[in-house]
Amino acid sequence: GIQVEQSPPDLILQEGANSTLRCNFSDSVNNLQWFHQNPWGQLINLFYIPSGTKQNGRLSATTVATERYSLLYISSSQTTDSGVYFCAGSSNFGNEKLTFGTGTRLTIIP
Amino acid sequence: NAGVTQTPKFQVLKTGQSMTLQCAQDMNHEYMSWYRQDPGMGLRLIHYSVGAGITDQGEVPNGYNVSRSTTEDFPLRLLSAAPSQTSVYFCASSRAGYSYEQYFGPGTRLTVT
Repeated sequence: GIQVEQSPPDLILQEGANSTLRCNFSDSVNNLQWFHQNPWGQLINLFYIPSGTKQNGRLSATTVATERYSLLYISSSQTTDSGVYFCAGSSNFGNEKLTFGTGTRLTIIP
Repeated sequence: NAGVTQTPKFQVLKTGQSMTLQCAQDMNHEYMSWYRQDPGMGLRLIHYSVGAGITDQGEVPNGYNVSRSTTEDFPLRLLSAAPSQTSVYFCASSRAGYSYEQYFGPGTRLTVT
């Protein structure tokens, strides 16, 4: 299976700041997902983004599968953005299991 | 829709006890899976099912059993709990497989003493 590395592991920002989270894969990915785990532990799917760019409000994500990375952008951060962000991917569409990174812990200070 | 539901939310077991973690979804998803989350680590796949009557092992299956008698339910059984199974357990479902958008339940925090 693939290896997934996320950076940075921790990020502390002032409310209103922008941030970029990165996910690197050891092999090409045909499928990639970003999740947010809020401080209460709930995991929410943010993006299913095997390639290209998607936007949802203040969040956007870009995946360049051939270069084995994905980026999650958060603009105008709010305290509710705090939590841990995970990326997960698999190398063969529909066949390989999802492998999760160890996450980026984001703390937004009011 | 309730989405993915899990019970119980919290559980404390003694070493050697058995229990079943319940998971149900009402989205008519074919694919369901169980993950465990340990501090400082991402989620690791325990078992998964691609449909009723079909289950398979994930990355860390030892000590756990599953069955899938209906599309809606996917219980996880701990036959003889060990302290190493102290973790947070998440159930997830998706339309057709790993490569589709995963929906997670709220999790079960299990402590084995």
